[in-house]
Amino acid sequence: EVELLESGGGLVQPGGSLRLSCAASGFTFNSFAMSWVRQAPGKGLEWVSGLSGSGMNTYYADSVKGRFTISRDKSKNTLHLQMNSLTAEDTALYYCVKEAGYTTSYIDYWGQGILVTVSS
Amino acid sequence: DIQMTQSPSTLSASVGDRVTITCRASQGISTWLAWYQQKPGKAPSLLIYKASSLESGVPSRFSGSGSGTEFTLTISSLQPDDFATYYCQHYNIDRAFGQGTKVEIK
Repeated sequence: EVELLESGGGLVQPGGSLRLSCAASGFTFNSFAMSWVRQAPGKGLEWVSGLSGSGMNTYYADSVKGRFTISRDKSKNTLHLQMNSLTAEDTALYYCVKEAGYTTSYIDYWGQGILVTVSS
Repeated sequence: DIQMTQSPSTLSASVGDRVTITCRASQGISTWLAWYQQKPGKAPSLLIYKASSLESGVPSRFSGSGSGTEFTLTISSLQPDDFATYYCQHYNIDRAFGQGTKVEIK
């Protein structure tokens, strides 16, 4: 059974940093692309960042480019999202998602989400 | 970047109604399109991928069609469990979601 367990969320001040992690299990981690998707309170879904199964190809939404960095630790089956220069607009529930292919694909599994709140 | 636009934003319907949601891409995406359903307080779940392929376990009343820039999600006979918010997503190198369509009880 595929499981995606996010951690690392919480309250952070504007301009601060946070690192999200996603522990993956139940599938061959290195064989699938992964992404982060976020949802601001009461709003729709926003794709944030993704990377290929190899980790060599990374993609970012314009809203986070230059501030967020996605990476994967193959030895620990863990996905990370380093978030810097956070603003109130980054406040959201962040979902770790597994995609159905080695490169860009649709999302077939979602984590339960982790809340990030940016506020002073 | 490719932008996805859904219509309508909200749809009021009754049980048994045929419901159609439209998603338009700002440029051609072939059939690299998925549809998801989200219920309040829950993570989304996959309904349709590659524009018209039904995900395993999803009821056959859900169907998808389209290619290029215009796509539709159809629910042939709306059931009580279908009242939710629906999102389209393209996955052609980049990814992007539509703004969502809330299907509510009329």
